[in-house]
Amino acid sequence: AQSVAQPEDQVKVAEGNPLTVKCTYSVSGNPYLFWYVQYPNRGLQFLLKYITGDNLVKGSYGFEAEFNKSQTSFHLKKPSALVSDSALYFCAVRDINNFNKFYFGSGTKLNVKP
Amino acid sequence: NAGVTQTPKFQVLKTGQSMTLQCAQDMNHNSMYWYRQDPGMGLRLIYYSASEGTTDKGEVPNGYNVSRLNKREFSLRLESAAPSQTSVYFCASSESGVAWETQYFGPGTRLLVL
Repeated sequence: AQSVAQPEDQVKVAEGNPLTVKCTYSVSGNPYLFWYVQYPNRGLQFLLKYITGDNLVKGSYGFEAEFNKSQTSFHLKKPSALVSDSALYFCAVRDINNFNKFYFGSGTKLNVKP
Repeated sequence: NAGVTQTPKFQVLKTGQSMTLQCAQDMNHNSMYWYRQDPGMGLRLIYYSASEGTTDKGEVPNGYNVSRLNKREFSLRLESAAPSQTSVYFCASSESGVAWETQYFGPGTRLLVL
């Protein structure tokens, strides 16, 4: 079975500080990993993905994520947080046996304080 | 280009009533999906349609039916609503369900079953 876990329900950082939102995965094989962001009362928006290649993936709005195979992690990072980054972040893994299926984490609420 | 649209935005039902949630996409995508989002549980796949004329069950299909009316439209029906179906429902689409593709999400339908 494939799954992802987001161990933190909430992350709080001050504006201008670096942020990290954690995600670990469980996949029997090469993982296809995604990060999405959800602003209040909106649908999910794609941020970035890891399919293969470089372990450091760059995405939208200055976000990046580091794929670490030995630690089975795919943490989302940003060097300098903005108040407008406050939102709900979801990590997801694609089912390697059926690409139409995604498994989402429970979500992490990011709160960036001015 | 509206992307993925959903109607209605909000609905209140009484236990036992039926309703259909509508979804349409204008990106000429082959694959469409229905998810439900519950607090602390992320998104869970209800049904998906890999192509026009096909539908398949996801993680939580019980109590729901779907129809892929044409390439653009994918509806979700609750035949006899239950309070456990109170949730936010998201429709999504992707071009063809291959490994590197992302999904595009609609704005969601908030459903309250009393």
